Amino acid sequence: DAGVIQSPRHEVTEMGQEVTLRCKPISGHNSLFWYRQTMMRGLELLIYFNNNVPIDDSGMPEDRFSAKMPNASFSTLKIQPSEPRDSAVYFCASTEHANTEAFFGQGTRLTVV
Amino acid sequence: GESVGLHLPTLSVQEGDNSIINCAYSNSASDYFIWYKQESGKGPQFIIDIRSNMDKRQGQRVTVLLNKTVKHLSLQIAATQPGDSAVYFCAENYSGNTPLVFGKGTRLSVIA
Repeated sequence: DAGVIQSPRHEVTEMGQEVTLRCKPISGHNSLFWYRQTMMRGLELLIYFNNNVPIDDSGMPEDRFSAKMPNASFSTLKIQPSEPRDSAVYFCASTEHANTEAFFGQGTRLTVV
Repeated sequence: GESVGLHLPTLSVQEGDNSIINCAYSNSASDYFIWYKQESGKGPQFIIDIRSNMDKRQGQRVTVLLNKTVKHLSLQIAATQPGDSAVYFCAENYSGNTPLVFGKGTRLSVIA
């Protein structure tokens, strides 16, 4: 398996634009997580899904952020409208079962100017 | 103005020496712990894990120690190499079906 695949690797966008980040988890994994990493706050959980169902989105900063998982092999994190403070590295991770290691993608570095 | 970033503890170690990275976890109910390594520009990578029914687990050049009494986790790296330079995170999990909670990280710098 190629591991967790995220796209794009880098995204530069203007304030106010819509941004969509994509993730393909490892095949057979049942849980998917979106994290955000910044210098200020470290690695923060935004939302996670079990069997494609959103379980906890309390980490989503505000209504501008939304995430979907239409099927077991694809998830998106959308920011609309984007703001400069959204600039960060966004990671997607997946796990096979509860209480097992999470495998991370390479991340998407988002810069909002 | 100047931005204030997260102050990561930094450990500087001579190449060939052993490294010990410490972590205090928050939840006494946590029953699964993982150490991750994150190199610049990459996502966190699994190093080793341990469950709460153990107090020590060894891998290749790495050992994790768990002290549940004081909620403390440590990662020992034997014969540290330049390739070990990275930020190391501990993560904890509780209630089985919840996501990992990550610590703030420690930066390991290996001096050749």
